[in-house]
Amino acid sequence: SQTIHQWPATLVQPVGSPLSLECTVEGTSNPNLYWYRQAAGRGLQLLFYSVGIGQISSEVPQNLSASRPQDRQFILSSKKLLLSDSGFYLCAWSVRIREAFFGQGTRLTVV
Amino acid sequence: AQTVTQSQPEMSVQEAETVTLSCTYDTSESDYYLFWYKQPPSRQMILVIRQEAYKQQNATENRFSVNFQKAAKSFSLKISDSQLGDAAMYFCAYRITTSGTYKYIFGTGTRLKVLA
Repeated sequence: SQTIHQWPATLVQPVGSPLSLECTVEGTSNPNLYWYRQAAGRGLQLLFYSVGIGQISSEVPQNLSASRPQDRQFILSSKKLLLSDSGFYLCAWSVRIREAFFGQGTRLTVV
Repeated sequence: AQTVTQSQPEMSVQEAETVTLSCTYDTSESDYYLFWYKQPPSRQMILVIRQEAYKQQNATENRFSVNFQKAAKSFSLKISDSQLGDAAMYFCAYRITTSGTYKYIFGTGTRLKVLA
């Protein structure tokens, strides 16, 4: 069966520090991968999606970047965090004709 | 623009009663999928129900059913015999095809409270 792992679960980082959130999927090949952000009291905003290794599409210009170094690995990064980067980050995967499956999420607080 | 609108930020329902959550969407595609996700306090996103746009029959999953009106671009969720465990944020979403892949667009959510 397919599973998705996302870590860390919680992260507190100072302003200006770097960020690296990782997501891996098991049990499937060549999935579509997604990063979403959920700000407090708001919906899910699509940040990045990827159809394959090294292929990244950005939805919203911002302080973040994404990479896909392996088929089932998706990384969300920042060189210098801003206060506005605080939020709940969700990684998700999907394959054809299926819904998106989500990880457990990372609560990021920038202080 | 591709958007999903959930006009009810918060809803309340008495235990064992029925509640309907509203959702409208805007897309120019003719073939797409619609979803309702539940996000309990754990914040894990859980799929509640799925509807293929080409199917006229409304999807049903136990106590959960949808009213899909394609012409009106409306996709409401009905929860029957509400239980305390149904209390959560509910997100409406649709999947579109773009540049050879799929994107999932979500609404802002409806917080459902279940009263004992």
